Amino acid sequence: EVQLLESGGGLVQPGGSLRLSCAASGLTFSSYGMNWVRQAPGKGLEWVSAISRSGGSTYYGDSAKGRFTISRDNSKNTLYLQMNSLRAEDTAIYYCASIQAGSGSVGWGQGTLVTVSS
Amino acid sequence: QPVLTQSSSASASLGSSVKLTCTLSSGHSSYIIAWHQQEPGKAPRYLMKLEGSGSYNKGSGVPDRFSGSGSGADRYLTISNLQFEDEADYYCETWDSNTRVFGGGTKLTVL
Repeated sequence: EVQLLESGGGLVQPGGSLRLSCAASGLTFSSYGMNWVRQAPGKGLEWVSAISRSGGSTYYGDSAKGRFTISRDNSKNTLYLQMNSLRAEDTAIYYCASIQAGSGSVGWGQGTLVTVSS
Repeated sequence: QPVLTQSSSASASLGSSVKLTCTLSSGHSSYIIAWHQQEPGKAPRYLMKLEGSGSYNKGSGVPDRFSGSGSGADRYLTISNLQFEDEADYYCETWDSNTRVFGGGTKLTVL
């Protein structure tokens, strides 16, 4: 069974930093691109960032460009999201999701809550 | 970059069928999309990928009551024999060479 387990969320002050992790099991991690998708309270899904299977290519949504960095360690089956210069509007549940080429985000974690507040 | 448009809400009676629509923006009508279901308080769940031809492939464990179809820029998710557990938010997703996009979601109410 595929499992994606996010961690690292919490309360952080505006301007602060946080590093999210997503531990994958039950799949050949290096065979999947990976996503971070967030959901602000009461809102819809918003794509944040994606990374290729090897980690050699990274992509960012407008809200993440210049502040967030996605990375992965295929030897540890783990995805990361380094978030800097956090703002109140970054408050959301952050989900990691596995990408199957041509099929979309096929597997989802349970999410980790990030709250940016003073 | 593609844009996906969904109605904000839909409702249908228990045991009936409902057809949800996701519309691709101009110039992107051939794009493949994915449908996701998000029950209240839960993480999203992948339902299927859906091509412009109407061909679809469902995820593991998705009931037969869920099907997909398409026409032009529109992609449809049909749920037959509606059950109360189908009451959820439904999102479509698509992607380009360097971006991914979600629709705004449709909140489905089962009456």
